[in-house]
Amino acid sequence: QSALTQPASVSGSPGQSITISCTGTSSDVGSYNLVSWYQQHPGKAPKLMIYEVSKRPSGVSNRFSGSKSGDTASLTISGLQAEDEADYYCCSYAGGTTFVVFGGGTKLTVL
Amino acid sequence: QVQLQESGPGLVKPSQTLSLTCTVSGGSIDSGSYSWSWIRQPAGKGLEWIGRIYTSGSTNYNPSLKSRVTISVDTSKNQFSLKLSSVTAADTALYYCARGSVNCDYWGQGTLVTVSS
Repeated sequence: QSALTQPASVSGSPGQSITISCTGTSSDVGSYNLVSWYQQHPGKAPKLMIYEVSKRPSGVSNRFSGSKSGDTASLTISGLQAEDEADYYCCSYAGGTTFVVFGGGTKLTVL
Repeated sequence: QVQLQESGPGLVKPSQTLSLTCTVSGGSIDSGSYSWSWIRQPAGKGLEWIGRIYTSGSTNYNPSLKSRVTISVDTSKNQFSLKLSSVTAADTALYYCARGSVNCDYWGQGTLVTVSS
């Protein structure tokens, strides 16, 4: 069982927007603005899409945005494109003796 | 452009020690204040953070693996390494090395390690 809870799957049609949630606790997501999101296509290494809750690395489309409220972080993808179909993982700093935790992953299907 | 490449045996016998090395190219492992992590992914499953090291030698490990994990760094070779002892079939996974801990901006391609007799 993963430390952070994500929906197993989400779907949307091209052009639509979707949001993936990532629920943690007051010990991880709720305590630190150190949440990141990764995109992973089949057979590929994960790619950093969002870091520190809402920052985008250079080269990542501005269709990807991140936010956080309390113990839940969210990734929103607007203007869905076929190439967005992938698995998405959230990750948070957890401090203490745990340090880093991942979500279980969400499979995004573009209909 | 920083690149990472994992290397090591693809097959390890149960109860033995898994050993992997990550070679960093395109930049010095010692530049900046980055941490360097190992992350694994069993087939069809999610990502699991194993641990990280700074070039100072400071380490942090996933509590669930801490008793079996050792991560070390060799700055002269621009490499860092993973040792996981007393492996079982549950340790079969794709093992990635990456720069960073929560914000992993560069990843290796991953190396599959199978634990089997």
